[in-house]
Amino acid sequence: GQQLNQSPQSMFIQEGEDVSMNCTSSSIFNTWLWYKQDPGEGPVLLIALYKAGELTSNGRLTAQFGITRKDSFLNISASIPSDVGIYFCAGPNTGNQFYFGTGTSLTVIP
Amino acid sequence: DTEVTQTPKHLVMGMTNKKSLKCEQHMGHRAMYWYKQKAKKPPELMFVYSYEKLSINESVPSRFSPECPNSSLLNLHLHALQPEDSALYLCASSRDRGPVEKLFFGSGTQLSVL
Repeated sequence: GQQLNQSPQSMFIQEGEDVSMNCTSSSIFNTWLWYKQDPGEGPVLLIALYKAGELTSNGRLTAQFGITRKDSFLNISASIPSDVGIYFCAGPNTGNQFYFGTGTSLTVIP
Repeated sequence: DTEVTQTPKHLVMGMTNKKSLKCEQHMGHRAMYWYKQKAKKPPELMFVYSYEKLSINESVPSRFSPECPNSSLLNLHLHALQPEDSALYLCASSRDRGPVEKLFFGSGTQLSVL
């Protein structure tokens, strides 16, 4: 079945470093969403992307909707300790089925 | 206001108990969802309500019983749960079901079944 694969699965970085993660699909997606989840809390929507090639920023976060519509990328610049959490990509494919990615766990070392 | 409110935040129950989880949104969204999430895994869809009618039931055991009293409220009734049902239960809403644009999540109920 459909699966959104995120890489890397986990990251350990120094505070101040930049972070890059990606999400790939076997099928075309209409929308790409990026969520951040803190332990014991619900996912919080960070960025939404609606068109192939779209590049959107939200503060230190930048995300891109891949040209093939089968992938998306999230970058975090100048990481800080509160960036710690699990990042999920998600979205509806062309059949309006909503999927979550496998998640990237981020640890920021002060 | 992009808030989905869930209560309680934490719940501990025995296998013979009956309890309910509650969810509320006032964004005028017409689709509401229940997800189950195990630690470090993505959320798994359980139920979808669209315009107050159950539209998707992802083969969830009958010990979980959803209810949508009105367009703002969603409940999940729990009865005779098993220890493996312990998880974070998330409520979400979206403006509509077709197409789904964005899901907004509540902060979840951390459920422990003893």
